[in-house]
Amino acid sequence: KAGVTQTPRYLIKTRGQQVTLSCSPISGHRSVSWYQQTPGQGLQFLFEYFSETQRNKGNFPGRFSGRQFSNSRSEMNVSTLELGDSALYLCASSLGWGGMAYEQYFGPGTRLTVT
Amino acid sequence: KNQVEQSPQSLIILEGKNCTLQCNYTVSPFSNLRWYKQDTGRGPVSLTIMTFSENTKSNGRYTATLDADTKQSSLHITASQLSDSASYICVVSAMDSNYQLIWGAGTKLIIKP
Repeated sequence: KAGVTQTPRYLIKTRGQQVTLSCSPISGHRSVSWYQQTPGQGLQFLFEYFSETQRNKGNFPGRFSGRQFSNSRSEMNVSTLELGDSALYLCASSLGWGGMAYEQYFGPGTRLTVT
Repeated sequence: KNQVEQSPQSLIILEGKNCTLQCNYTVSPFSNLRWYKQDTGRGPVSLTIMTFSENTKSNGRYTATLDADTKQSSLHITASQLSDSASYICVVSAMDSNYQLIWGAGTKLIIKP
């Protein structure tokens, strides 16, 4: 069974630009969560989608948005990039939503650098 | 306020030794508690998930305990190996309408040969 895939793996953008990251969950998984991890920091929850609906949202500005498609693939968009957005963006998939006792499987992440 | 606190922040031990990492939480109502291992620059990997009724759960050399009364959990690593060097993160799920996951900051473990 293929794992969670994220594309691209590495990305360099300039301040003010926008970026779209993609996540393909494990086949059969309907929940996709996104996290931001900055150097030396813990994971910060961005949002979670289940069956194309946003179920949970973290404390991030409106520049961060996401969506989920009918095949459970998800995209995350960041508009008007700032230097502080440089981070590892991780996505995780699971069978069920939220913190119910389903295993979360993480992808390898997308390393975003904003210059 | 729902919070998860881990201690110590970092730990250095010699290969072959045992160690115990701590997690205290104030999340309520409680749904489940997870321990993850994260290697530098990679996504976390789940070690255990424990629900309210489970006191102990093992995964190879990793054993997690849960005391729901005192709201404490520990992760014990036996006979450490160099590959155990990583961050270990405790995550608690709140049984609210959204089953929010509350993430701890992690304990950075370094195993020295």
